[in-house]
Amino acid sequence: DAMVIQNPRYQVTQFGKPVTLSCSQTLNHNVMYWYQQKSSQAPKLLFHYYDKDFNNEADTPDNFQSRRPNTSFCFLDIRSPGLGDAAMYLCATSRDRGETYEQYFGPGTRLTVT
Amino acid sequence: RKEVEQDPGPFNVPEGATVAFNCTYSNSASQSFFWYRQDCRKEPKLLMSVYSSGNEDGRFTAQLNRASQYISLLIRDSKLSDSATYLCVVRTGFQKLVFGTGTRLLVSP
Repeated sequence: DAMVIQNPRYQVTQFGKPVTLSCSQTLNHNVMYWYQQKSSQAPKLLFHYYDKDFNNEADTPDNFQSRRPNTSFCFLDIRSPGLGDAAMYLCATSRDRGETYEQYFGPGTRLTVT
Repeated sequence: RKEVEQDPGPFNVPEGATVAFNCTYSNSASQSFFWYRQDCRKEPKLLMSVYSSGNEDGRFTAQLNRASQYISLLIRDSKLSDSATYLCVVRTGFQKLVFGTGTRLLVSP
């Protein structure tokens, strides 16, 4: 089945220790997104790639970076995680087909910072 | 004012009940509208897109009122499995979705 896959599902890292989260998709969608969601809050868009073009949200801290080496894969790098970065990180994809822009989410990576 | 506002609930209803959620959005230029469902500690899943003419999918009916800038979701004959958080989502710009904080629904036997 076509899907969005995230690895790992759970990640524990130490304060200040860089961590990378990965996302892959078999939907062949040209747009990929990274969201941060904290408990009882809405998903917050960090950035997205439209094809190879990177689009950062104005309020995304510099601590968060992303790479998209090809259509299928996208990575979220947190350079120096703080306690406040503990959250669920969601990857989503969509296809630019001019009408609805529905997004499809992966299962998420739950990040714990110790 | 938040871009997308929802009553957080929870809405506690018995099985078989009909329940309705509303959502308001602030950007009159918003172009697409969706309802997503999110189970506890899981990812959001698309429930349905909301079209200007309104649309229905089984027990679920979505309506859009552009003049008043609100979206509604009606669930008929509630099932236990409908218990979840329902996220109202609005496309405000090119490729950008804004999520509400969700309305929690609890369906009891």
